[in-house]
Amino acid sequence: SAVISQKPSRDICQRGTSLTIQCQVDSQVTMMFWYRQQPGQSLTLIATANQGSEATYESGFVIDKFPISRPNLTFSTLTVSNMSPEDSSIYLCSVDVVEGAFFGQGTRLTVV
Amino acid sequence: QKEVEQNSGPLSVPEGAIASLNCTYSDRGSQSFFWYRQYSGKSPELIMSIYSNGDKEDGRFTAQLNKASQYVSLLIRDSQPSDSATYLCASFGGSARQLTFGSGTQLTVLP
Repeated sequence: SAVISQKPSRDICQRGTSLTIQCQVDSQVTMMFWYRQQPGQSLTLIATANQGSEATYESGFVIDKFPISRPNLTFSTLTVSNMSPEDSSIYLCSVDVVEGAFFGQGTRLTVV
Repeated sequence: QKEVEQNSGPLSVPEGAIASLNCTYSDRGSQSFFWYRQYSGKSPELIMSIYSNGDKEDGRFTAQLNKASQYVSLLIRDSQPSDSATYLCASFGGSARQLTFGSGTQLTVLP
């Protein structure tokens, strides 16, 4: 298993601003994943973050809106840029290990 | 067409009963299957993984996999109110480069 620390746990932000979410893992992992979970919905993968290369974004998500950094094998950040109320959601980082994926505590974002 | 489908629920069972949660998947190349439990306001927690046909038991939980039918299930025996949560089924493998999640089934165990 892996222990994943994600912060902030929640935030209320003004529209048009940006928020950076941090994710720290207690061991080195090759890939880290960022998900979004809108109210009452399942998880949607935003992007996969590899150390030393640009993140790979899923359909419907773009780097300008969700820039990701992966400076080393234990840390990643996701920025939600130029926020609108539609970005209100829970954002989760995740790592895959042999036994399955493990998630951080999540960031509950409300955009007003 | 969703790649992983779950019975949408919500599902209610009385305390002490068996809760049965079902999931089907469309990609025959999927190799790994996972069940997650998600309490309201919390992140998903991995509770079971299964890779081979048949049953896998862990305490009160039993995961069942039938690759021929492309079907995965989770049985919770002696259900407790603390089992009340949303259960997410996920698959990995085949054409997918990452986990594919179902929409989840909300389970309520009534005291």
